[in-house]
Amino acid sequence: NAGVTQTPKFQVLKTGQSMTLQCAQDMNHNSMYWYRQDPGMGLRLIYYSASEGTTDKGEVPNGYNVSRLNKREFSLRLESAAPSQTSVYFCASSEGTNTEAFFGQGTRLTVV
Amino acid sequence: GESVGLHLPTLSVQEGDNSIINCAYSNSASDYFIWYKQESGKGPQFIIDIRSNMDKRQGQRVTVLLNKTVKHLSLQIAATQPGDSAVYFCAERPHSGYSTLTFGKGTMLLVSP
Repeated sequence: NAGVTQTPKFQVLKTGQSMTLQCAQDMNHNSMYWYRQDPGMGLRLIYYSASEGTTDKGEVPNGYNVSRLNKREFSLRLESAAPSQTSVYFCASSEGTNTEAFFGQGTRLTVV
Repeated sequence: GESVGLHLPTLSVQEGDNSIINCAYSNSASDYFIWYKQESGKGPQFIIDIRSNMDKRQGQRVTVLLNKTVKHLSLQIAATQPGDSAVYFCAERPHSGYSTLTFGKGTMLLVSP
């Protein structure tokens, strides 16, 4: 039982490149989330999926897109990376929206 | 990792002391609160939660207190250990109809042997 698995763990992109961050959970959770974490800023919600088939914007969605591929997987795509998107990205999942979220180990992304 | 801790409030304690980490939350309608621990280079880990119909909840070595009057949440760690050194975040969930958590900026706890 791995919990929440994110890939890759580290990535360096050039400005304008695109990439997809992958996330999978094996806890049969309904809800999944993508957060970014910047120094001194805490965790900010980018997008979330309350249940399979739905996605919604969070606090900082600009520059990102998401896909809830199935109940297990929720991917985050950067179409044209910018230096402002340099951050640590965390995927999380929860059984419902009224329960605690479980986090992956994070993806450290640097855009140069 | 260590970059998470930049510019964060820091609490320094000695091993064996009791630690109290405080959090002021923003929304008086929030009905669910969680404390997370984040060690360097890792994702946040759930510690304990509390719902707004409670004032206190205890876990193993941890206690969460909720004061809705002043919108204040605290995490008490008994007999703090070096392994407790981490950044601690509180999170709140605004009332029904809003399904996600809002996180505070965090407090770094440093435990000296």
